[in-house]
Amino acid sequence: AQKITQTQPGMFVQEKEAVTLDCTYDTSDQSYGLFWYKQPSSGEMIFLIYQGSYDEQNATEGRYSLNFQKARKSANLVISASQLGDSAMYFCAMREGGSYKLIFGSGTRLLVRP
Amino acid sequence: EAGVVQSPRYKIIEKKQPVAFWCNPISGHNTLYWYLQNLGQGPELLIRYENEEAVDDSQLPKDRFSAERLKGVDSTLKIQPAELGDSAVYLCASSFGGQGTEAFFGQGTRLTVV
Repeated sequence: AQKITQTQPGMFVQEKEAVTLDCTYDTSDQSYGLFWYKQPSSGEMIFLIYQGSYDEQNATEGRYSLNFQKARKSANLVISASQLGDSAMYFCAMREGGSYKLIFGSGTRLLVRP
Repeated sequence: EAGVVQSPRYKIIEKKQPVAFWCNPISGHNTLYWYLQNLGQGPELLIRYENEEAVDDSQLPKDRFSAERLKGVDSTLKIQPAELGDSAVYLCASSFGGQGTEAFFGQGTRLTVV
């Protein structure tokens, strides 16, 4: 069963606009963590933001925020004020309770237009 | 602080030949992961080490893949013999601490088997 679903293979956004990348997950665990990573063309996976299942507030890191809706099992990434350097692949990932294994979605390619 | 270092960045080999990848994790990180990333997909875990012990290798095709982490620091991943389907990016990551901590990734080794 697919655990992480990213339904947007590709997205465009205008520079300086905000964009939301979708992520839904499936787990029966009560304790889990959700991550977003950015993968530029250089290949490195860059950690962006983390949300724990028990965290009551949405995580924020600079221009990145995570819209966590537990009942809907969604963990969308919001990038505010997009920059050209934000063009990359973005992966949502989950780590279930009791496991150190990261399960990744198939990714969303974001292209920021000048 | 140096990040996760992998070498080589690129490798082209003929099928049936052996190949090895090397990873140096971030200093002090006791957990080391090897992930496989096929084109257009998210990474999938091959093996996880806690110090020098392989604690999760259920996804590692043991007929041709092997890994080691001597002294609990550097790690090597080997394929022998390589097949055409092994062409992919091999990512190494490391982390320290509990499940809520992020894993830091290297730039990966892009393997092409011809």
